[in-house]
Amino acid sequence: DQQVKQNSPSLSVQEGRISILNCDYTNSMFDYFLWYKKYPAEGPTFLISISSIKDKNEDGRFTVFLNKSAKHLSLHIVPSQPGDSAVYFCAARVTQGGSEKLVFGKGTKLTVNP
Amino acid sequence: DGGITQSPKYLFRKEGQNVTLSCEQNLNHDAMYWYRQDPGQGLRLIYYSQIVNDFQKGDIAEGYSVSREKKESFPLTVTSAQKNPTAFYLCASSILTGYGYTFGSGTRLTVV
Repeated sequence: DQQVKQNSPSLSVQEGRISILNCDYTNSMFDYFLWYKKYPAEGPTFLISISSIKDKNEDGRFTVFLNKSAKHLSLHIVPSQPGDSAVYFCAARVTQGGSEKLVFGKGTKLTVNP
Repeated sequence: DGGITQSPKYLFRKEGQNVTLSCEQNLNHDAMYWYRQDPGQGLRLIYYSQIVNDFQKGDIAEGYSVSREKKESFPLTVTSAQKNPTAFYLCASSILTGYGYTFGSGTRLTVV
């Protein structure tokens, strides 16, 4: 049962345009959401996050939107740059029995064309 | 510089052999995690530990074992019972009430 879903395995955009990466979740107990960026053969690096009590968080070119009623979040990258080409993972935090863990989606491979 | 170190980066083993992957962090983080990445599968949680001498199974713990004897170290053993061990393994750490994880650079394990 996939609790965090990234339904688009890949996305291709032109440099300078907006990239929108989407993520859906099913577990209402998730209290924090994060986006990670990953290059091949490297570990993921933290990009941006949002608390479940907010609906938007912005950091430079990156903005994350959360729609709790729809259980949907999205990452906007404006303007997109070739260096943004990577796999982006959506993750959600859940606390169970005093233990905290992240549940990851399958990732979306973003390609930004010059 | 604080960080999390996984070694080796590439590892080859023969089928039927146990192998241990190293993970060390000097971030003073309480919690440590092991994930496995397969193509098209995202990151799946193997084991995690919130405190020294304690750890919990994740979603795909079968065929793996861990220990947490020191706060800085969380080695993962891939046993011969793991049916499909070839994968990219990622270790991560976090403060207990942190907002996210710091990941190591990963170990690519190939079993032949």
